[in-house]
Amino acid sequence: DGGITQSPKYLFRKEGQNVTLSCEQNLNHDAMYWYRQDPGQGLRLIYYSQIVNDFQKGDIAEGYSVSREKKESFPLTVTSAQKNPTAFYLCASSERTGGNQPQHFGDGTRLSIL
Amino acid sequence: DQQVKQNSPSLSVQEGRISILNCDYTNSMFDYFLWYKKYPAEGPTFLISISSIKDKNEDGRFTVFLNKSAKHLSLHIVPSQPGDSAVYFCAASALGRSSASKIIFGSGTRLSIRP
Repeated sequence: DGGITQSPKYLFRKEGQNVTLSCEQNLNHDAMYWYRQDPGQGLRLIYYSQIVNDFQKGDIAEGYSVSREKKESFPLTVTSAQKNPTAFYLCASSERTGGNQPQHFGDGTRLSIL
Repeated sequence: DQQVKQNSPSLSVQEGRISILNCDYTNSMFDYFLWYKKYPAEGPTFLISISSIKDKNEDGRFTVFLNKSAKHLSLHIVPSQPGDSAVYFCAASALGRSSASKIIFGSGTRLSIRP
């Protein structure tokens, strides 16, 4: 079945540590996204990528980094510079970027600080 | 400042009745709107959308209404079923601005369908 796979489902980070969240899609979509969800808030865009080897900052990119070396993969690294990393992280993809492109989401990764 | 607002964090509706979820937006440049549904421990799934050239879009039990002058949209579910219990996110975008226009999400409304 086509879809988006995020791993791990739960992740714990120690102070000063970088952690990487995995996102893989087999939908052959060009565009991929990373969102962060905090309690009582909507999804906020961290980074997005329109095509392989290209990515753009979203609204809250500080403390995060991404890469898009392969069409199907868009890993997110939460660096030690992100002072409040505890949140639910969602990866999504769409055929292409554009506000009328419904996005397909993974099941998320919950990141917590130890 | 939230550009897309869902002011009701939760809603409880009896099975078989109509569920109405509301959403307000502040950016007059928004011209495309989407609703997503999210079950616990799963990612959101796309439900229905509407372009600003329409004021209504229907898909089975789901209808979205758009009132551009009031900057308000609503999702109607009729009749409500137990499987409709989920969190519903309203989202908006400004298509005319850029091919890479972003989707802005509201904070969600948790709908509970009671027997």
